[in-house]
Amino acid sequence: GIQVEQSPPDLILQEGANSTLRCNFSDSVNNLQWFHQNPWGQLINLFYIPSGTKQNGRLSATTVATERYSLLYISSSQTTDSGVYFCAVRLSGAGSYQLTFGKGTKLSVIP
Amino acid sequence: DADVTQTPRNRITKTGKRIMLECSQTKGHDRMYWYRQDPGLGLRLIYYSFDVKDINKGEISDGYSVSRQAQAKFSLSLESAIPNQTALYFCATSDYRPGGSTYNEQFFGPGTRLTVL
Repeated sequence: GIQVEQSPPDLILQEGANSTLRCNFSDSVNNLQWFHQNPWGQLINLFYIPSGTKQNGRLSATTVATERYSLLYISSSQTTDSGVYFCAVRLSGAGSYQLTFGKGTKLSVIP
Repeated sequence: DADVTQTPRNRITKTGKRIMLECSQTKGHDRMYWYRQDPGLGLRLIYYSFDVKDINKGEISDGYSVSRQAQAKFSLSLESAIPNQTALYFCATSDYRPGGSTYNEQFFGPGTRLTVL
């Protein structure tokens, strides 16, 4: 099956710092999503980005499908950004319906 | 109001008991999914359904069954719960219609934290 690797596994930031999270995947995909799992366990949709670049406030994401990676940028981090960030992909082609998740990047933003 | 709701939000049960987790959605999506998350890991697919007559096994379906009662409702059952089914369970939905603004994007419920003693 498709492999999804996220880096770094853990990240500690001072409030106000910027960061880049990376997601590498091993095969062609037609869906890539970034999620934030907050400390209460809820999964929040950040981006649906199978290709290209999107921005939403302090967050932005870029997916280069031909090179099989995606980046999530967090600028001016806040303590509320803490949690685990997941990348999830869906394999291209008929018969593939599930999202395959990476193991996540655990972000801790300290005051 | 939340678009995807799950009940209960937390449940503690004993080995051997039958448990049902319920999911409802108001997004009008045809596709629904059940995932489980174990500590320190991403989510894995248990079952998925494209409509009330279409149920499919996912990566880890053993020990689970599902029922699609209506377009908006999808239930997950553990017929005889065991401790290694202790996990966080998520329901998700997606829209199958190409060209729609949310086509192919999955939306998740708040999760059910299940503990099997």
